[in-house]
Amino acid sequence: GENVEQHPSTLSVQEGDSAVIKCTYSDSASNYFPWYKQELGKGPQLIIDIRSNVGEKKDQRIAVTLNKTAKHFSLHITETQPEDSAVYFCAASRNTGNQFYFGTGTSLTVIP
Amino acid sequence: SQTIHQWPATLVQPVGSPLSLECTVEGTSNPNLYWYRQAAGRGLQLLFYSIGIDQISSEVPQNLSASRPQDRQFILSSKKLLLSDSGFYLCAWVTGRSARYTFGSGTRLTVV
Repeated sequence: GENVEQHPSTLSVQEGDSAVIKCTYSDSASNYFPWYKQELGKGPQLIIDIRSNVGEKKDQRIAVTLNKTAKHFSLHITETQPEDSAVYFCAASRNTGNQFYFGTGTSLTVIP
Repeated sequence: SQTIHQWPATLVQPVGSPLSLECTVEGTSNPNLYWYRQAAGRGLQLLFYSIGIDQISSEVPQNLSASRPQDRQFILSSKKLLLSDSGFYLCAWVTGRSARYTFGSGTRLTVV
């Protein structure tokens, strides 16, 4: 089955700096890679996703890059703000199977 | 619109007592439904998933069971809770069209 690894497990950045979270996956058939943000006491919320036919996707301060050859994808948050502090999860799936495999999460703290 | 409801939000139960957590989705039909557990500060552990009424698959052996009596209803149960059952329980759904996971707001279960 698929194995998704996520690094780092914790990340602290100064407000205004950039944050990068990286994930690797093992199943070359995975073709959908979402990122979720989980605030304390709440369920994870989808913030951005990318499919395997695209190398990069951007939505305001958030971007995701995908390297299919190396089987890794990354979340980039620019101009970080305190409200970006949360736990972020990456995931991988085969679109048809709908079975999602999650990374172990990154706790991001943005220091004002 | 498509929504997911999960209740209760918090629950404190004594060891040995039964458990029933309910999840319902609206605005879609024939979704795949999932139950996840999240221990404090940990990642998402898939417990059960269902591709249809009365079709349940278990990912890990445990003290819990799941049922899907209706297309848009998914129930997590236990006959006798253990201390180790404490955690944050999340329901999620996905449809084949978008393949995007949507999580419920979660139930914080504390077994005392």
